[in-house]
Amino acid sequence: AQSVTQPDIHITVSEGASLELRCNYSYGATPYLFWYVQSPGQGLQLLLKYFSGDTLVQGIKGFEAEFKRSQSSFNLRKPSVHWSDAAEYFCAVGDSFDFGNEKLTFGTGTRLTIIP
Amino acid sequence: EAGVTQFPSHSVIEKGQTVTLRCDPISGHDNLYWYRRVMGKEIKFLLHFVKESKQDESGMPNNRFLAERTGGTYSTLKVQPAELEDSGVYFCASSISGEMPWDEQFFGPGTRLTVL
Repeated sequence: AQSVTQPDIHITVSEGASLELRCNYSYGATPYLFWYVQSPGQGLQLLLKYFSGDTLVQGIKGFEAEFKRSQSSFNLRKPSVHWSDAAEYFCAVGDSFDFGNEKLTFGTGTRLTIIP
Repeated sequence: EAGVTQFPSHSVIEKGQTVTLRCDPISGHDNLYWYRRVMGKEIKFLLHFVKESKQDESGMPNNRFLAERTGGTYSTLKVQPAELEDSGVYFCASSISGEMPWDEQFFGPGTRLTVL
């Protein structure tokens, strides 16, 4: 069965600093990979996704992620964070063979705090 | 366009009581998913509707949980009787069918259930 590990429960960064959130997955083939963000009182919003092709994917709000098959990783990055990026971030994997039943397997999330 | 809505936003009940959560998907979305996040843990899949039919209910914890989607529009998730371990945030997501390779899921803000 597939699984997702987000090793960092909580990360604090200064506004303007760079950010990298880690995500490792376990899956037998090439998975579909996602990053979601949840701001307080909001639903999960899709930041970016990877299905195939170019391993560096760009998302909304200036985020990007890189798929590294050799490391089973899909880390999320942003060169300069803004106070509005404070939220909880979830990495998720989808089963690329289960067409028609696109259930997601999530990691435990990383809470991001931004300090001035 | 209205997003996925969930009601109530927060429910506090006592052990043994019954609670019904409601989800209104985005209009025209055939797929409806329920997920649950127990505090500090990952978001876990509960079940998936395609229109009014249950496509996959492999994540439902036990028979105290009953999900319905009459008419293929809104869905309810009833917990009867509630137990302490049912506390958590229940998310609903919806997606349109037929997108390739993956039907993007749009999430609601969640219902926080507290069982005392």
